[in-house]
Amino acid sequence: KAGVTQTPRYLIKTRGQQVTLSCSPISGHRSVSWYQQTPGQGLQFLFEYFSETQRNKGNFPGRFSGRQFSNSRSEMNVSTLELGDSALYLCASSLDYATDTQYFGPGTRLTVL
Amino acid sequence: KNEVEQSPQNLTAQEGEFITINCSYSVGISALHWLQQHPGGGIVSLFMLSSGKKKHGRLIATINIQEKHSSLHITASHPRDSAVYICAVRPNTGNQFYFGTGTSLTVIP
Repeated sequence: KAGVTQTPRYLIKTRGQQVTLSCSPISGHRSVSWYQQTPGQGLQFLFEYFSETQRNKGNFPGRFSGRQFSNSRSEMNVSTLELGDSALYLCASSLDYATDTQYFGPGTRLTVL
Repeated sequence: KNEVEQSPQNLTAQEGEFITINCSYSVGISALHWLQQHPGGGIVSLFMLSSGKKKHGRLIATINIQEKHSSLHITASHPRDSAVYICAVRPNTGNQFYFGTGTSLTVIP
């Protein structure tokens, strides 16, 4: 079974632009979560989706948004990029939310110049 | 305020040593996760615990819900165990994840 895939793997943007990252979960998994990892703050939870509904949201500004499609694929969007948004963005999928082991994708490395 | 505290932050061990990494948390939880991250970024979920103890190969994870504490043990450590180990908790209210800052383990041959 294929693992979690994320595209693109690397991305360079400039301040003020917006970006969309994509995550394809393991086949059959209905829950997708997104995380931001930076050297200063470590791993932080962004949001979690299950069956196209956002179930939980972390403490990030409204510039960070996401959605999940009927095939469980998920996208996250960051608008009006700031230098501090440079990070590794990870997504993880699981069969259900809150109760199951999460399987992580390789991440998208976003650099904001 | 950190909901999850890990210790030690850094750990160097000789191959074959028994290793313990500790995690303390301050919130009521529905589950605690131990994650492993190798250089390059890939994260693997090692254990998900809500009570007791779990074992997988040379790795053992324990949790004491009353004391809000968990430990990850590695027996007979090997250089391939070198990685960052991260503790994460899912609170039983709110349901988002809180992460520890990680323990960087280096095992020397």
